[in-house]
Amino acid sequence: EIVLTQSPGTLSLSPGERATLSCRASQSVSSSYLAWYQQKPGQAPRLLIYGVSSRATGIPDRFSGSGSGTDFTLTISRLEPEDFAVYYCQQYGGLPFTFGPGTKVDIK
Amino acid sequence: QVQLQQSGPGLVKPSQTLSLTCAISGDSVSSNSGAWNWIRQSPSRGLEWLGRTYYRSKWYSDYAVSVKSRIIINSDTSKNQVSLQLNSVTPEDTAVYYCARGWGFDIWGQGTMVTVSS
Repeated sequence: EIVLTQSPGTLSLSPGERATLSCRASQSVSSSYLAWYQQKPGQAPRLLIYGVSSRATGIPDRFSGSGSGTDFTLTISRLEPEDFAVYYCQQYGGLPFTFGPGTKVDIK
Repeated sequence: QVQLQQSGPGLVKPSQTLSLTCAISGDSVSSNSGAWNWIRQSPSRGLEWLGRTYYRSKWYSDYAVSVKSRIIINSDTSKNQVSLQLNSVTPEDTAVYYCARGWGFDIWGQGTMVTVSS
């Protein structure tokens, strides 16, 4: 099983600032099958990024993903008020599919 | 657009069976490019993928090892829906349960809070 770890656990930033979230895998993620999700309280997760760097439908271009192998990054170029939420990475390159524990982005 | 509508009880007694359904609109459960997953979320376990079913000329299912002995994910093509059965539940199975489409899960159901308690 591929274990995903995310850092930091919490990121305190102000609107307009840049957010950089990290996801590290315990082994290489096959075929770059790495996704990122945003979750707000009481809602289901929303797909932001798939295939490491492809934005899902309707996702603004301030969200970008990068990385390869075992190290991946989600960057939010300029935080909007609606971006304060919890973010999860997920690998779907091998079974079982696994999620990271999440990074909470909150308002400083 | 594609929507997933979940239904099922919010309270299940210990040792009984948790049963949820996920009705699909805007897509076909037997699409040759789709897959239908069940995922749960709890404070203690985070987001946990439970399993999936998909059709590639025949039906396939994959399950997480943690629940493999207790889980069945089925499809119903006449109703265009998938179902989750989790047997012999304990309080540790208390969670929000989601159905979701695909591999990068692009469409999610609304979630069902299931509490296991007598």
